[in-house]
Amino acid sequence: EAQVTQNPRYLITVTGKKLTVTCSQNMNHEYMSWYRQDPGLGLRQIYYSMNVEVTDKGDVPEGYKVSRKEKRNFPLILESPSPNQTSLYFCASSPRTAYNSPLHFGNGTRLTVT
Amino acid sequence: AQTVTQSQPEMSVQEAETVTLSCTYDTSESDYYLFWYKQPPSRQMILVIRQEAYKQQNATENRFSVNFQKAAKSFSLKISDSQLGDAAMYFCAYRSAMNNNAGNMLTFGGGTRLMVKP
Repeated sequence: EAQVTQNPRYLITVTGKKLTVTCSQNMNHEYMSWYRQDPGLGLRQIYYSMNVEVTDKGDVPEGYKVSRKEKRNFPLILESPSPNQTSLYFCASSPRTAYNSPLHFGNGTRLTVT
Repeated sequence: AQTVTQSQPEMSVQEAETVTLSCTYDTSESDYYLFWYKQPPSRQMILVIRQEAYKQQNATENRFSVNFQKAAKSFSLKISDSQLGDAAMYFCAYRSAMNNNAGNMLTFGGGTRLMVKP
């Protein structure tokens, strides 16, 4: 089954404790991206990757890191989480040039930083 | 940069009735794509309907249809014969047709929570 898999689904952590949210897709998509969802703000892009070893900042990259060593994986890293990073996170992927195709979303990771 | 605005944070509709969710966007581009996504309590992002800006005909998918007004930069979603399962958060989203991140990134509105009354 074609899908984007995110883990974990829920994560509670404390300020400053490094964490990684994993994202994997099995559709051979070049493009992968991370979004965060906050009430009233919709989803905002954090980082994106157009292909392996190519990553760049989205609209709200501060406090986040990503890597794209393999085509299928695109982990989101919070080196020193802070309470303002409490949010719902989504990983998404698509073929690079299929602009009218929808993004394929993972099921989300609810992160709470205390 | 493009912006998408959903002016109705919450809407409610009686089961079997029709409801329209509003969306406006701002862009200087002439070619782009517009989407409506549904997010039920399960948090999944489910594509409801899509519209290509170069097509004048409004998209329809079963009970869902859009009113796309390109000059007014408006993209509303009409849900006919509303069902209890339609209760969810609905997001309007814009996607450029450019060959870069803008062509892959979705710019989302703030969302509209739809409640369906039995």
